[in-house]
Amino acid sequence: DAGITQSPRHKVTETGTPVTLRCHQTENHRYMYWYRQDPGHGLRLIHYSYGVKDTDKGEVSDGYSVSRSKTEDFLLTLESATSSQTSVYFCAISADNYGYTFGSGTRLTVV
Amino acid sequence: GENVEQHPSTLSVQEGDSAVIKCTYSDSASNYFPWYKQELGKRPQLIIDIRSNVGEKKDQRIAVTLNKTAKHFSLHITETQPEDSAVYFCAARTNYGGSQGNLIFGKGTKLSVKP
Repeated sequence: DAGITQSPRHKVTETGTPVTLRCHQTENHRYMYWYRQDPGHGLRLIHYSYGVKDTDKGEVSDGYSVSRSKTEDFLLTLESATSSQTSVYFCAISADNYGYTFGSGTRLTVV
Repeated sequence: GENVEQHPSTLSVQEGDSAVIKCTYSDSASNYFPWYKQELGKRPQLIIDIRSNVGEKKDQRIAVTLNKTAKHFSLHITETQPEDSAVYFCAARTNYGGSQGNLIFGKGTKLSVKP
């Protein structure tokens, strides 16, 4: 498809548990991003990466951490999930920090 | 930091009419302005983009205009069709942060095209 895969596609977890979402790309792109999408808020940047082990915070980074140990994988971890982190999470990739290609999203519900 | 505002939040037009969505940005250093279309339950997809050294760009029925002085840009869709119904997002790329920035999105416009 678009060379980007998110897993899992759906997840329900309990408050206080750690959760890791995975983004995998086959395009060998330098840049990878994590966004969350909520009604009335559009797409908000959580963290992004501009190379292996190079990451930076976005607009809504509190409560989230990321890791990128190899080009193809970008992991998003919710250290201790809260109900406010119920959302749809989109990963995106870019070769040059211009046109972004989005994954299919992960729908996370924290109960 | 960059702030992107998008208007209107909802827009309803008759098939065949034109639709215009407007965005303003706050950081004069922003240099790249893409537009994304998101159909219900799907991923956002890039439909057109413009860089700060260009004033207008067209691709068939869609066009984007940029006014750097006023810090606003607009999406124009002509001869709308029912399949144009979707949520449209504008974005601006910041020029700060690791490896020079990232996209900040507007909150979206839900476009409905009535047959």
